[in-house]
Amino acid sequence: GQSLEQPSEVTAVEGAIVQINCTYQTSGFYGLSWYQQHDGGAPTFLSYNALDGLEETGRFSSFLSRSDSYGYLLLQELQMKDSASYFCAVRDPGSARQLTFGSGTQLTVLP
Amino acid sequence: DVKVTQSSRYLVKRTGEKVFLECVQDMDHENMFWYRQDPGLGLRLIYFSYDVKMKEKGDIPEGYSVSREKKERFSLILESASTNQTSMYLCASSLGQGETQYFGPGTRLLVL
Repeated sequence: GQSLEQPSEVTAVEGAIVQINCTYQTSGFYGLSWYQQHDGGAPTFLSYNALDGLEETGRFSSFLSRSDSYGYLLLQELQMKDSASYFCAVRDPGSARQLTFGSGTQLTVLP
Repeated sequence: DVKVTQSSRYLVKRTGEKVFLECVQDMDHENMFWYRQDPGLGLRLIYFSYDVKMKEKGDIPEGYSVSREKKERFSLILESASTNQTSMYLCASSLGQGETQYFGPGTRLLVL
């Protein structure tokens, strides 16, 4: 089986930097993904890390350390619109098409 | 852009009713998924399909069945709805071994 742990809530102020951590336990590993979901909306893909290191996409970056079974999503220059839930997910080793999601981190950005 | 649509945004059903949730994607994706989302539990996979007429159980298939007669359409069926099936249901699709899943807007189901 697989399990992922991430904090349930994070709060930060506009313009700040916030890091959302994700630790995972899997029987095999293909990569770590991050999804964003605004309240009432659909989850949308943000990033994917298959190899160790940092991937940057604009204000968002994602990091992976396979040896530590750990990753994080880094959001810079926070904006009010970044208030959302963020989910990490791993691909299932038995069926690479399938994802297992963490329980999500609710990010609140304060003015 | 990939578009995944779901037949209803909100549904209210009675205990024991048969419920159909429909999902359609327009990008010729092989894989389609049904999740339910509950507060504090994240997204849990109910069933998925990687080809027409093929289906695989996810983590919580009990009380649900699925149908995939055409590549673009994946239906979730609650044979006899129960109150513990009140939830948000999300459909998703993906291409081949791709890591990106594209989600529909969700159906919020209330079973009374």
